[in-house]
Amino acid sequence: KQEVTQIPAALSVPEGENLVLNCSFTDSAIYNLQWFRQDPGKGLTSLLLIQSSQREQTSGRLNASLDKSSGRSTLYIAASQPGDSATYLCSYSRNSGNTPLVFGKGTRLSVIA
Amino acid sequence: GAVVSQHPSRVICKSGTSVKIECRSLDFQATTMFWYRQFPKQSLMLMATSNEGSKATYEQGVEKDKFLINHASLTLSTLTVTSAHPEDSSFYICSARDPGGTLNTEAFFGQGTRLTVV
Repeated sequence: KQEVTQIPAALSVPEGENLVLNCSFTDSAIYNLQWFRQDPGKGLTSLLLIQSSQREQTSGRLNASLDKSSGRSTLYIAASQPGDSATYLCSYSRNSGNTPLVFGKGTRLSVIA
Repeated sequence: GAVVSQHPSRVICKSGTSVKIECRSLDFQATTMFWYRQFPKQSLMLMATSNEGSKATYEQGVEKDKFLINHASLTLSTLTVTSAHPEDSSFYICSARDPGGTLNTEAFFGQGTRLTVV
C-alpha cells in the first residue's frame, strides 16, 4: 500500500523561527516528490519538485531534501513569516509519465507574529 | 508555471440534484487529468483519471455512475456529481501536467470546488 506520512500534523511557531516539516513514504519506486502549500478552502500551490535522482531543491526561503533510500523528505522553511501559515502537503508520483500523485495528510503550520 | 482553472469554486445544491465541475488547462493541452476529493483534515484521495477521447479510469470504491467524467477536448475535463447526497459534500480538485513544457513532470492543480449538498 502506498502511504505518505507527515509529521507533525500541526505546528505553531513564533515569527522568525526556522522550521522543518517531515515526510516519509513507503514506496521505493517514486519518480519524483512534490511539496505543495494549501490555504484554507483553496487549491494547491506547487512549492518544490524533486526528481528521484536529486537530493534537494531550493526556492527562496524554502529548501526540500529527498533521501529515497530511507523514504524521507524534509521541507525546511527559513525565517518563517505569518504569511507562511498554511497546510503543507507532501506528495509523490510513481514511475514516469502521466501518473497521479499520492498525498500525505499535511502539516498545518501557524506562524505567530 | 502552467495554469489549471476549475469552476465553480463553491456550489451549494439540494439533495438529489446534479452538479457539474469544470477543469480547464489554460495554456497547455492535457491528454490526462486527475480528479481528487479531500475531506476535512484528510489527504487528497484520487477518484479517477480522466483520459481525453476515452473512458475515465476510476479508483476502487468510486462509483462511476455517480461521478461522471467527460474529457471531450485536450483542455477540458468535467466531473458531474449525479443525484448528490449530503455525504458527497467535499472539496473536489483537479490536476494536470503539461507534457510539452520544460516542467513536464510537475503537477498543477485547479483552485478546487467546495461542494455542499443540503
